[in-house]
Amino acid sequence: ETGVTQTPRHLVMGMTNKKSLKCEQHLGHNAMYWYKQSAKKPLELMFVYSLEERVENNSVPSRFSPECPNSSHLFLHLHTLQPEDSALYLCASSLRVAPGVSSGNTIYFGEGSWLTVV
Amino acid sequence: AQSVAQPEDQVNVAEGNPLTVKCTYSVSGNPYLFWYVQYPNRGLQFLLKYITGDNLVKGSYGFEAEFNKSQTSFHLKKPSALVSDSALYFCAVRDGTRGGSQGNLIFGKGTKLSVKP
Repeated sequence: ETGVTQTPRHLVMGMTNKKSLKCEQHLGHNAMYWYKQSAKKPLELMFVYSLEERVENNSVPSRFSPECPNSSHLFLHLHTLQPEDSALYLCASSLRVAPGVSSGNTIYFGEGSWLTVV
Repeated sequence: AQSVAQPEDQVNVAEGNPLTVKCTYSVSGNPYLFWYVQYPNRGLQFLLKYITGDNLVKGSYGFEAEFNKSQTSFHLKKPSALVSDSALYFCAVRDGTRGGSQGNLIFGKGTKLSVKP
């Protein structure tokens, strides 16, 4: 148990569907992240939120739409995805975004949501 | 620009033998270095990190890593490998002197560790 919970763990969706991934952290952190992990590719940072404000969007296609209603919850809304979007989507959190010398900068990951687009 | 390299795609070790998973990094400022482990069908778990202080860092499950500034390395080690250590290991680096997107954590591509009985 990492303190970061992701649902669903597995999702199969058609290219015309609309679905959402949910992430909840119980660590009292202020920053939350979405990462994409594809086979044989490095971990890709997608979005960063700090205190519910999006502070980074790494050129992610608009078919991925994040939402952070509060500092404990993060969503990734999915619509008209492509088969190449099939991957493991990892949510993570940390105490804050800006680097510093405290241990608060460790990023803690959830178990991931396996997405298959058919 | 900061970067991290894990030169080995896979490391094979016999149970009971010492293991080393290599990591080298490049940052312009002070490196903050991390190791994560990913077991099959699971998320990434934090193992250990180096921020400042003692170059030898001890972490979870008996793992340790040594920060070597002159060689810009942060190799992960364990004195006696277990079959249950078999997993994917990720090294990550952040430039501790930078903020915003310049201070993001950069991950290596991962090294698959296989420990045989």
